[in-house]
Amino acid sequence: DAGITQSPRHKVTETGTPVTLRCHQTENHRYMYWYRQDPGHGLRLIHYSYGVKDTDKGEVSDGYSVSRSKTEDFLLTLESATSSQTSVYFCAISLTGASNSPLHFGNGTRLTVT
Amino acid sequence: QQQVKQSPQSLIVQKGGISIINCAYENTAFDYFPWYQQFPGKGPALLIAIRPDVSEKKEGRFTISFNKSAKQFSLHIMDSQPGDSATYFCAPQTSGSRLTFGEGTQLTVNP
Repeated sequence: DAGITQSPRHKVTETGTPVTLRCHQTENHRYMYWYRQDPGHGLRLIHYSYGVKDTDKGEVSDGYSVSRSKTEDFLLTLESATSSQTSVYFCAISLTGASNSPLHFGNGTRLTVT
Repeated sequence: QQQVKQSPQSLIVQKGGISIINCAYENTAFDYFPWYQQFPGKGPALLIAIRPDVSEKKEGRFTISFNKSAKQFSLHIMDSQPGDSATYFCAPQTSGSRLTFGEGTQLTVNP
């Protein structure tokens, strides 16, 4: 699993509450990503980071924010959770960030918004 | 606009048979073409990948065929085994290691 830990693994929360998901890596890689997985959509990129305090939006970034104050941690925050954000969230790292560098994924966080 | 279209959505194959999954893309900026394999409760993991200057790559029972002019690539699993039962994603890549995933194919290999 390339030293990637996602926490929590499962979470149930109510609509309108803030939620923060954490991704921690042990291998000091610069490039980190947050994806969400939904049936019929594959995985879609939410936000990514090229280094500390260096982040950018992906294709489904609305309603999400991220922070990266340390190389090893990449946080995903849902400011006010909605039912449409019920999903499985995956964090990933890239060893080099090059176009031919594969991604290594964590085991995901299953989030349910009631 | 759907950039990556994968087919079929599901596939059932007998043990020892050939599994074929196809992927069509639109974005000509893609320059690396991987397939990922995902088991339940786990994140996707790289299975095999091909660069656009090569038409075919084989690793054990797994082969990628790439057709640049048609903007298509496919995954062939020879001698399919029950342990190959998983969800498979094509996920062409651009710079910055940004992947665009297909919708996935759920493969079931019956014993």
